[in-house]
Amino acid sequence: DQQVKQNSPSLSVQEGRISILNCDYTNSMFDYFLWYKKYPAEGPTFLISISSIKDKNEDGRFTVFLNKSAKHLSLHIVPSQPGDSAVYFCAANFNKFYFGSGTKLNVKP
Amino acid sequence: DAGVIQSPRHEVTEMGQEVTLRCKPISGHNSLFWYRQTMMRGLELLIYFNNNVPIDDSGMPEDRFSAKMPNASFSTLKIQPSEPRDSAVYFCASSLARPQETQYFGPGTRLLVL
Repeated sequence: DQQVKQNSPSLSVQEGRISILNCDYTNSMFDYFLWYKKYPAEGPTFLISISSIKDKNEDGRFTVFLNKSAKHLSLHIVPSQPGDSAVYFCAANFNKFYFGSGTKLNVKP
Repeated sequence: DAGVIQSPRHEVTEMGQEVTLRCKPISGHNSLFWYRQTMMRGLELLIYFNNNVPIDDSGMPEDRFSAKMPNASFSTLKIQPSEPRDSAVYFCASSLARPQETQYFGPGTRLLVL
């Protein structure tokens, strides 16, 4: 029973356009959310986070939005670059982290 | 800092054999996590330690899996006996204090059980 779900296994976007990665969760007790980025043959690396008391956090080209009423998290990348091509995991925390299954983003030049 | 170090990076073994995966967390980090990544289930937390003590092992699939952290700089994940369905990438991660802190992942061990 996955508490954090990423329903899109893959996403393809043209360079320069916006990439939107989505994540849904079921546990209203989650109080901290993160996005990790993973390249092949490497471990996931932290990208951006948001606390449940906020609805938006921005860091350069990356913005995370949190909609608590919908239990929905999204990551926006603007503009997308070929180097952003990777697998993106969302994670939610309540005592421990629960990860989604990942979305593979392909940014086409 | 070298980051989280895992060994081996790749392991191929036959069903029934014992497999031991190793992890060295980032110096000064008090929490250590073992994850398993599969295509079907994504990243699953197997167990985590805080100050060398196992806190939550509810993700450990069955008795064939065991993990130890004898000191702050070393942990092992053992599978005995291994089965083909254990084939996955196993990640170790560490964080500064509580599990809520951002975790830093190692490069992973890709395990194939034939």
